[in-house]
Amino acid sequence: DAKTTQPPSMDCAEGRAANLPCNHSTISGNEYVYWYRQIHSQGPQYIIHGLKNNETNEMASLIITEDRKSSTLILPHATLRDTAVYYCIVRVGWGDKIIFGKGTRLHILP
Amino acid sequence: DTEVTQTPKHLVMGMTNKKSLKCEQHMGHRAMYWYKQKAKKPPELMFVYSYEKLSINESVPSRFSPECPNSSLLNLHLHALQPEDSALYLCASSQDITGDNEQFFGPGTRLTVL
Repeated sequence: DAKTTQPPSMDCAEGRAANLPCNHSTISGNEYVYWYRQIHSQGPQYIIHGLKNNETNEMASLIITEDRKSSTLILPHATLRDTAVYYCIVRVGWGDKIIFGKGTRLHILP
Repeated sequence: DTEVTQTPKHLVMGMTNKKSLKCEQHMGHRAMYWYKQKAKKPPELMFVYSYEKLSINESVPSRFSPECPNSSLLNLHLHALQPEDSALYLCASSQDITGDNEQFFGPGTRLTVL
C-alpha cells in the first residue's frame, strides 16, 4: 500500500502559487519524499525529491516538516500546463520499490 | 539524451497472439522498470531490472515475460493475454536502484487486448 495521503483534487488560479500537501506519517529515516506528475495520457514526469532538507529546482520547491511526517510541493507560478495528477511518493533508500498513491488532480483555472 | 523511448505507441492484439513491447534509453542508466497503469488509476510496478538482472517481480502472471538483453534495452514479451490486461504500459529507467535517483519515464504503450 502507498505510504502517503493526498487530497484527491485541488484548484489553483493561473499565475498563483499552487501548494500541494502530502502526509507521510509513517516515513522512516532512510526514506525519500518524491514528487512526480502525470499529464493526461503521458508518462509520469519527475519534479523534485528530498530527504530532510527543503529543496528547490527550476520546476518547484519541496518543503518537508521537521518531523518529516508531511511535505508540501509548491509550484510558484502555476500555468495551464501544470494541470496534471501529482503523486507524492515515499521511497526507501535501497531496493527501489516505488508505490504510487492515488495522487492529487490539480486543476489550474484561467 | 534524457529520453526513454517506447515502441509501439499503440498495440491491439488478440488473446492468442504473441507480441513484444520495447523500451530503450541511452542515459547509461543501470536500472530499468516496467509499470502497468489502468485507466484513472496510478501506475503499478511490475518488474525491476538492476544491472541487467531481474531484481523485483511483483507477482506478475507468467503471460508477461520481461527481458533485458543489454543495459540500454528492456523488452516485455506478451503471450495469451486477457482483455483485463488492456492498459498503458510504462517503462522507466534510473541511474541505479538506490533511493536518491529519480526515474525517467517513457510515454508508454497503450495496449488493447481483444
